[in-house]
Parts: sequence; C-alpha cells; structure tokens
Amino acid sequence: GQSLEQPSEVTAVEGAIVQINCTYQTSGFYGLSWYQQHDGGAPTFLSYNALDGLEETGRFSSFLSRSDSYGYLLLQELQMKDSASYFCAVRVLYGQNFVFGPGTRLSVLP
Amino acid sequence: DVKVTQSSRYLVKRTGEKVFLECVQDMDHENMFWYRQDPGLGLRLIYFSYDVKMKEKGDIPEGYSVSREKKERFSLILESASTNQTSMYLCASSSPGLEIYEQYFGPGTRLTVT
Repeated sequence: GQSLEQPSEVTAVEGAIVQINCTYQTSGFYGLSWYQQHDGGAPTFLSYNALDGLEETGRFSSFLSRSDSYGYLLLQELQMKDSASYFCAVRVLYGQNFVFGPGTRLSVLP
Repeated sequence: DVKVTQSSRYLVKRTGEKVFLECVQDMDHENMFWYRQDPGLGLRLIYFSYDVKMKEKGDIPEGYSVSREKKERFSLILESASTNQTSMYLCASSSPGLEIYEQYFGPGTRLTVT
C-alpha cells in the first residue's frame, strides 16, 4: 500500500522557523511536492523535489532524502497568514498518480 | 490569471441519484485530476486524464466514472450516489513533464448525499 505520514498539528509564533516533516512508503517514487490550503480555500502549490537536496523559494524551502524516504517543508519568518494546512504529496509509479499525506495544521501565534 | 472552475460550490443529492460534477480550466493543460478530500485523510485521487478521451484510475475509482470530451473540461460522474460519497471534491489541472507537480486546483464542490 501507499502511506504518507505528517504531524497532525504544529504551533509556532510569528517570526519563528518551523519544519513540517513527511515520511512516505510508496510503490515507486518520482518526486515530492508541497501544498498549502487555507480554511475554505483550494490547495495551492508551494514547492517540489524530484532529486535529493534543498529547494528554496522565498521564505519556504523543501528538502528531500530519497534514501530515507523523508522530506520536509521549512517555513521561515513566520507570518500570521501562514496559518493553514500543509500537505505533502508523492508522485508514485504510474506517472500522473499522486498520493497525498493527511496534512499538518499550522497555527501561527502573535 | 490561471483559473480552474467547478460547476457548483455546494450540492445536495439523494441516495441513488446520478450526479455530475463539472470542471473547466482555461490554461490549456493536458493533465486534469479529480480528488476527494475528507478530514484526516488528505486528498485522494479518484481519476486523472492526460489527454482528451484518455483516463486512468487513481486510488479510489469505485463508484465513479469520468469523461473528457474536450481538453478544457473534465467531468466526474457518480453513477448512483451513496452517503459514503459525501465529501469535498476538488478538480485540478497541470501541464505535462515536471510541471505536473504544480497542480492548479478549483474551489471545490461540497457534495452531501442524503
């Protein structure tokens, strides 16, 4: 079967740095992507990693280690607007097939 | 501005009814996806399509079918709605190649089956 694990909730204060982890067990692996979803909104794409290492996009960075079946999303200089759910998603063996994690709810406190 | 639209934000149907959910994208994307989202389960892929008239099953296709007659439109069909299909349904689209990771989602349709 396919499974992705993320922490269900994370809390941090404005200006801090937070890391959201994602571990996966899937049949085949092509890449890991991250999405943000505000309450009542649609998921929006943040980042992806097809190769090991760190990808940086502004305040957000994403890391992948294929040997450890592990990745994380790093959010720096947290802002109140970053309060949302964050999902990791693995592109698995059959091309366009994506498996999403259960999501991590991030709460940013003043 | 990139846009994926879905035919309804909220829908209430009765058990046994045939239900059509429509999705239209204006980005000329080859790939289109249908997901359902349930609390604690994340998004689960129902079907995807990589070209007109082409479709592939995702993880949970049972009880659903799809239709893609035009590039911009991808329809999800519940042949005989059941209460366990009460959920949020999200449509997405993307370009092929590595851009497949960057999926654009519609606002979702919250379907309630009574």
